[in-house]
Amino acid sequence: GIQVEQSPPDLILQEGANSTLRCNFSDSVNNLQWFHQNPWGQLINLFYIPSGTKQNGRLSATTVATERYSLLYISSSQTTDSGVYFCAVEPDTGGFKTIFGAGTRLFVKA
Amino acid sequence: EAQVTQNPRYLITVTGKKLTVTCSQNMNHEYMSWYRQDPGLGLRQIYYSMNVEVTDKGDVPEGYKVSRKEKRNFPLILESPSPNQTSLYFCASSPYGQGRTEAFFGQGTRLTVV
Repeated sequence: GIQVEQSPPDLILQEGANSTLRCNFSDSVNNLQWFHQNPWGQLINLFYIPSGTKQNGRLSATTVATERYSLLYISSSQTTDSGVYFCAVEPDTGGFKTIFGAGTRLFVKA
Repeated sequence: EAQVTQNPRYLITVTGKKLTVTCSQNMNHEYMSWYRQDPGLGLRQIYYSMNVEVTDKGDVPEGYKVSRKEKRNFPLILESPSPNQTSLYFCASSPYGQGRTEAFFGQGTRLTVV
């Protein structure tokens, strides 16, 4: 089945720094989403981005479907950005499963 | 307010005692899904449903059942829970077809089977 790999697995930033999180997938996908899981366990959708670029405040995401990767950019990081960031894909295999990557754990220091 | 509601939030049960975790959404979404989250393994899909009476297995369906009798509800049933089903469970919903957008998650259910 499809493999979804996220990097880096862990990231520590000083408040105000910028970062780029990466999601690689091994096969064609119908869609891709980015989620943030906050320290209380709540999962929040950040982007639905099967292709192209989207921006929402300090966050932006780019998916290059033909090269099988997506990037999540966090600018001017804040302590509230801490948590785990997941990408999730729906493989283009005729079914409707959703496969998550293992996540990037981010800690932003004040 | 648009939301996905799971109940209960926390549950401790004994091996073999049947239980049901409920999930309800008020957004008229076609697609609903259950996941379990375990340390080091991320989220893994248990079952999903494309619409009423249409369900299919995810990656880890063993030991679970689901039903979709109404569009808004998608309960997860553990007929004979075992300790290896101790986990954090999430329900999610999203629209499908041409109106496809992001998924919305419930608050999670932390299940402990002793």
